[in-house]
Amino acid sequence: DIQMTQSPSSVSASVGDRVTITCRASQGISSWLAWYQQKPGKAPKLLIYAASSLQSGVPSRFSGSGSGTDFTLTISSLQPEDFATYYCQQANSFPPFTFGPGTKVDIK
Amino acid sequence: EVQLVESGGGLVQPGGSLRLSCAASGFTFSSYSMNWVRQAPGKGLEWVSYISSSSSTIYYADSVKGRFTISRDNAKNSLYLQMNSLRAEDTAVYYCARDMVQGVIMAFDYWGQGTLVTVSS
Repeated sequence: DIQMTQSPSSVSASVGDRVTITCRASQGISSWLAWYQQKPGKAPKLLIYAASSLQSGVPSRFSGSGSGTDFTLTISSLQPEDFATYYCQQANSFPPFTFGPGTKVDIK
Repeated sequence: EVQLVESGGGLVQPGGSLRLSCAASGFTFSSYSMNWVRQAPGKGLEWVSYISSSSSTIYYADSVKGRFTISRDNAKNSLYLQMNSLRAEDTAVYYCARDMVQGVIMAFDYWGQGTLVTVSS
C-alpha cells in the first residue's frame, strides 16, 4: 500500500499569510493526488485534483503543485474561512485510496 | 444540484450489524462510481469501499474486508453499506462520496453529510 504523510501536522497563521502544506507519497503516484478541506462537523470538500487542477468554484488563492512523490498545497493569502483541516489523497494505486493524516490550519 | 444523503447510522452493540444507505440525486447515478469513507471521532479520513457504476468492480479496505459489503441499486439511485461483525473501532462518521469523473478514479467531488455509527455495549 502507498503511505501518505503530511507536514506540518498543524500550522498557526494569520489572515493574509501565505501557507504551504506538503504531502509526500511512499512511492511515485505521478499526478494522481487530490487535496480536500474539512471544517469541523462538515464533510470534506474537494479543492484540487490531479495535483494542480483547481476544482470548480474553489477560490484561486488555492493552488497545488508537484508530481511523483512530493506535493504542495499553497494558500496564497489566508482568509478567515480557510481555517480548517486539509487532507491529501492518492488515486494512483488502489485499493486503498490512501489519505494523508491531515494538516490543521488555525488562527495565530 | 448534486445531493448525497446518508442514513442508517446509530448505536449498535459489538458483533452487531447495520446497513447504511446513501440516496443520490441531481446527477445520473448509474454513470458514476461511488465510495464510502469514514472518520473516527477526532481522527482523519479513512477510505472504506468502492463500487463501480455497474457494480462490476468492488474494493474494500483491509480493515473491513469480509465484514462489510458495498452494493448499489441504480434504479433507486441508492448506495448501500452492509456492516456485519461490528467492532468498537468501526465507530465513525460514514460518508458516501462520488468519483468525479465517469470511468476514471481521480478524486471524490461530492460528499454526503455523513451518518454516525457508534459501536458500544
